[in-house]
Parts: sequence; structure tokens; C-alpha cells
Amino acid sequence: AQSVTQPDIHITVSEGASLELRCNYSYGATPYLFWYVQSPGQGLQLLLKYFSGDTLVQGIKGFEAEFKRSQSSFNLRKPSVHWSDAAEYFCAVSPPGGADGLTFGKGTHLIIQP
Amino acid sequence: DTAVSQTPKYLVTQMGNDKSIKCEQNLGHDTMYWYKQDSKKFLKIMFSYNNKELIINETVPNRFSPKSPDKAHLNLHINSLELGDSAVYFCASSPRDGGETQYFGPGTRLLVL
Repeated sequence: AQSVTQPDIHITVSEGASLELRCNYSYGATPYLFWYVQSPGQGLQLLLKYFSGDTLVQGIKGFEAEFKRSQSSFNLRKPSVHWSDAAEYFCAVSPPGGADGLTFGKGTHLIIQP
Repeated sequence: DTAVSQTPKYLVTQMGNDKSIKCEQNLGHDTMYWYKQDSKKFLKIMFSYNNKELIINETVPNRFSPKSPDKAHLNLHINSLELGDSAVYFCASSPRDGGETQYFGPGTRLLVL
């Protein structure tokens, strides 16, 4: 069965500093990979996704993620965070062409310090 | 226009009651899903429907039943509500099953007293 691990439950970053959120997955082949963001009391918004091709993907709001097959990782990065980036971030996977829906990690809560 | 909408946004009810949550998508997608987010914010797939046919059904109690009157709607009926059903329920849709980007609704916060 596939699984997703986000090892950091909480991360605190100063405004303007760089950010990296970690995500590791367990799956027999390369799944489709996603990062979603959830602001307090809101639904989930897709930040970016990786299906195939270039392993560095660009997303919305200045986020990017890099797929590393050898490490089974899909870490999310941003060079300079803004106070509005404070939210819950979820990494998710799904089997390519399958019908199993998304398997989510437990999320990382991002706190921005002024 | 809202792509994926859910009603109601909040639902407070007593144990033992039966309730429904409605979901509609105007994206023309073929597949719709229900997810449950628990108090620790963990998200788990409950159901998915493709062209009005149930594709998956995770280990969800049979008190939960999805109903899809047409491709644009997937409603969630819950019978005999229990305290542990308190959660946020998210509807989502995707162009077709498996691996496509899913678009989520705003969620329905269910509180069972």
C-alpha cells in the first residue's frame, strides 16, 4: 500500500526566510505527486503537481518542488516566505492511471514569525 | 463561479440523527470523491464515483452512503450519526479517475453532540 510521510508536524520560519517542507513516499512505482495548501477554515488548494518529465516543478505563489526518485522524496521549497503563507501543507500521492483517490501525508503546519 | 461547492458549510446535530451533505461541481469532471479530515487534520479518502458508478469504498461504515443523481453531484448520506463522525468532510472532483488533479470543495464541518 502506498504511504506518505511528512516528518515535520510544525515548522516556524521568519518572514523573508527560505522554506523547505519535506515529503517522502512509499510506492512500488513512481506515483503522481501533489502539494496542497489549506488555510485556516478553508478547503485545499493545489500548489503544484508532478506527473513526469522535468523533476523540478513550479507552482503557484512562488512555490517549487523537486522530485528525487532515488530518495522517494518530493520536497516543497520557497525562497522567501510571506506572512500569508502560514497554513497547513499536505503532500499527496496517487497511482498513475489508478482509481484510488489521493493518499495524503499528515500535514506540516507552517508558522511565520514577523 | 464556484467550481466545487458543498452545502451546508456547518452542520451541528445530535447523535443518532440522519443527515446529508450535498456536493456539486460545474467543471464537467467525470469523477467525484469524498474525503474525511479528522481533528488532527488527517485526510482520508472515503469514496469515489466515476460516471455515477462507485469505484472505491474504503473501510467506511455502511452508515455512510454516497448517492450520485448525475455526473455533477455526489451527495453523502450519514445514518445514525455517532460522536466519532465529527469531522470536516471534503468533496473533490477530477477529470477522470486516477492520478488527475483533484479540485476540492470548501468542506463541511460536522459536529455531532
